[in-house]
Amino acid sequence: EDQVTQSPEALRLQEGESSSLNCSYTVSGLRGLFWYRQDPGKGPEFLFTLYSAGEEKEKERLKATLTKKESFLHITAPKPEDSATYLCAVQAGNYGQNFVFGPGTRLSVLP
Amino acid sequence: SAVISQKPSRDICQRGTSLTIQCQVDSQVTMMFWYRQQPGQSLTLIATANQGSEATYESGFVIDKFPISRPNLTFSTLTVSNMSPEDSSIYLCSVATSGEGEQYFGPGTRLTVT
Repeated sequence: EDQVTQSPEALRLQEGESSSLNCSYTVSGLRGLFWYRQDPGKGPEFLFTLYSAGEEKEKERLKATLTKKESFLHITAPKPEDSATYLCAVQAGNYGQNFVFGPGTRLSVLP
Repeated sequence: SAVISQKPSRDICQRGTSLTIQCQVDSQVTMMFWYRQQPGQSLTLIATANQGSEATYESGFVIDKFPISRPNLTFSTLTVSNMSPEDSSIYLCSVATSGEGEQYFGPGTRLTVT
């Protein structure tokens, strides 16, 4: 069974304090790994897609990386507006669009 | 990316009643999905809404409880039938333009069953 875990469950940072979020996965045949940001009361907002080990994507203060077992979302010099829940999802198997989501990391950035 | 709207944005319903949630997309999309997000939890896929045919349900979800319609490439509905307090959740629709790649999500419908 495909499984996705995320750590830590919650993270509090001071503004400007860089850190990383982890997404570990156990799947049969990874076809894609996706990062989303979700603000309270809203739907997930797409951030990145990663397809193969060694791939990296960047957007503003965020950088996502992928290995064969896990992905990291690095947050450099975060601001309070980066506070949100960050979700990762995997697409695996031979067919279908079905995503399996991890439980998420709740990030709070304090001013 | 697609712009997705959902109606209603929230509702409070009585036990035993049904609620139909609408999902509208601003462009034609191949694939539409319905998810449930229970309080404090992550997203769980309910079903894939197929245009012109029956929806494909994930394990633990059945058509009698969550009937889905998809009359065209821009619209879908999810009905939550015979509701109980355990159905209190956020219901989200999402779309994808192909079998590979990212999904884009609507704003969600927050359902409370009393």
